[in-house]
Amino acid sequence: DVKVTQSSRYLVKRTGEKVFLECVQDMDHENMFWYRQDPGLGLRLIYFSYDVKMKEKGDIPEGYSVSREKKERFSLILESASTNQTSMYLCASSFSVTTPSRSYNEQFFGPGTRLTVL
Amino acid sequence: ELKVEQNPLFLSMQEGKNYTIYCNYSTTSDRLYWYRQDPGKSLESLFVLLSNGAVKQEGRLMASLDTKARLSTLHITAAVHDLSATYFCAVTPFSGNEKLTFGTGTRLTIIP
Repeated sequence: DVKVTQSSRYLVKRTGEKVFLECVQDMDHENMFWYRQDPGLGLRLIYFSYDVKMKEKGDIPEGYSVSREKKERFSLILESASTNQTSMYLCASSFSVTTPSRSYNEQFFGPGTRLTVL
Repeated sequence: ELKVEQNPLFLSMQEGKNYTIYCNYSTTSDRLYWYRQDPGKSLESLFVLLSNGAVKQEGRLMASLDTKARLSTLHITAAVHDLSATYFCAVTPFSGNEKLTFGTGTRLTIIP
């Protein structure tokens, strides 16, 4: 079974603190993703990574940065947390699946970290 | 910009009834994913649809894809309480970029 784990299920931080959210996958997947999930907005992509030391911005990267020093680990960093970053954060990983007609990447999600910024 | 719309956003239905959730997307795509999320839990992959006319079934759930209409449906047959969850569709653009764009989700509640 694919396993994606996140360092904390619940986290409470204060405005202005630096926050690290860690994600680890054990299936040697190339791709890793960070999303935030808010009611009525679905999941929105913050950053993703196709390889070690490689990162690309998603749809809402402002206020966030990421680090991928090892293939299995992808960290999300809030440099100076703000109350509007209170959210559920989901990490995912994926690998390429090739069929006779096409290829695709199915994403597997971690349990999520509910972050509250006071 | 790729937009993915689901409807309805909320659905309350009785056990034993049939219903359909709709997922419309705004740009060419031939890869569509359905996920399920139980309250307080993460997302679980249900179906991957890879071509026009693709149909996948698992138990009481059946998903289909019409790439010409840019529409996918998730059909629930004879609903049971265990199917209560939030269902998301997600789309990858045809360009080959593996970013997923998610719909806002449909919260399904099955009433006895």
